[in-house]
Amino acid sequence: DAGVTQSPTHLIKTRGQQVTLRCSPKSGHDTVSWYQQALGQGPQFIFQYYEEEERQRGNFPDRFSGHQFPNYSSELNVNALLLGDSALYLCASSYYGDYGYTFGSGTRLTVV
Amino acid sequence: QQPVQSPQAVILREGEDAVINCSSSKALYSVHWYRQKHGEAPVFLMILLKGGEQKGHEKISASFNEKKQQSSLYLTASQLSYSGTYFCGPATDSWGKLQFGAGTQVVVTP
Repeated sequence: DAGVTQSPTHLIKTRGQQVTLRCSPKSGHDTVSWYQQALGQGPQFIFQYYEEEERQRGNFPDRFSGHQFPNYSSELNVNALLLGDSALYLCASSYYGDYGYTFGSGTRLTVV
Repeated sequence: QQPVQSPQAVILREGEDAVINCSSSKALYSVHWYRQKHGEAPVFLMILLKGGEQKGHEKISASFNEKKQQSSLYLTASQLSYSGTYFCGPATDSWGKLQFGAGTQVVVTP
């Protein structure tokens, strides 16, 4: 049973560029959430998608946007990258909200 | 606002017990607990729902005091595999938007 798949695993971008991260949820899961985890910190909620709509959003600027496709997979887009956007980006899927999340291994983004 | 976890770190010998506490300033619907090993994804341990229901995948117990907006995770008879950073993730609604704390680093030694 495949869990959550994220791609790419590592990425290096230049300040000001744009990046797209991808996530395939665990089979049977319909809700996808994105988190940003800085080194030594807990994951910070970016936003959550359900039925192709953004259900909830954390305290992140509009430079962070997302999308969910009919097959429940999701993308995270970040525009005008800043050095401070360097972090591990985690995708987590779940079924509705009453069950635990399954996290992917993440995408390590480095902005130089 | 992020929940407050305590202690920040704990070192245990195999077989010893430990308690990790999590406190939130908001009324909670549920509390999630995850363990993350270095360089790996967080792994779901347990969810405690308002009303007392618990769902977990491992032999780790926890409690949830809805009135005090607090939760505790109990590591009993610790094993080497329990080492990692433990995060609590309180949620204020059923959609499970989690606000993770800074985590508690647990090191279990032989």
